[in-house]
Amino acid sequence: DAMVIQNPRYQVTQFGKPVTLSCSQTLNHNVMYWYQQKSSQAPKLLFHYYDKDFNNEADTPDNFQSRRPNTSFCFLDIRSPGLGDAAMYLCATSRDPGQGRQPQHFGDGTRLSIL
Amino acid sequence: AQKITQTQPGMFVQEKEAVTLDCTYDTSDQSYGLFWYKQPSSGEMIFLIYQGSYDEQNATEGRYSLNFQKARKSANLVISASQLGDSAMYFCAMRPNSGYSTLTFGKGTMLLVSP
Repeated sequence: DAMVIQNPRYQVTQFGKPVTLSCSQTLNHNVMYWYQQKSSQAPKLLFHYYDKDFNNEADTPDNFQSRRPNTSFCFLDIRSPGLGDAAMYLCATSRDPGQGRQPQHFGDGTRLSIL
Repeated sequence: AQKITQTQPGMFVQEKEAVTLDCTYDTSDQSYGLFWYKQPSSGEMIFLIYQGSYDEQNATEGRYSLNFQKARKSANLVISASQLGDSAMYFCAMRPNSGYSTLTFGKGTMLLVSP
């Protein structure tokens, strides 16, 4: 089945130690999104790629970076994780941004803990 | 800018009963889409139903239906014949149908279905 896959499901890292979360998709969608979701809150968009075009949300901290080496893969890099970065990180895809009834398709998320 | 308001932090319903989850929105766009997502405790975001602003009929998908009242800017989700597996967080979201736009989520409603 075509899907969005996030690895790992759970990630534990140390305060200040760089960490990378990965997302892959078999849907061949043009757009890939990264969201941060803290407990009992709505997902907050960090950035997204439309093909190779990177779009950063204005309030996304510089500590968060992303890479999309090809259509299928997208990575979220946290350069120096702080305790406040502990959250669920959700990857999503869509065929095109802002058009019609196409929903975003989400992966299962990576739950990040900071020690 | 878009805003989604979900006024019910939590809802309780008995199995087999119907429940309505409220969603109101604010936008200056004329063309937009409204989405409902379900998020179980495991974390994945599951797309449930879509309503376009110009759709003449209310959307339905199995046990899910959308009570769309455009003049009142409301898009309430109705779940008929609730099941225990419906216990989850439910998010309402919207996206303008303009060239390059992203989803805006509400804060969510936690639904608990009891036997």
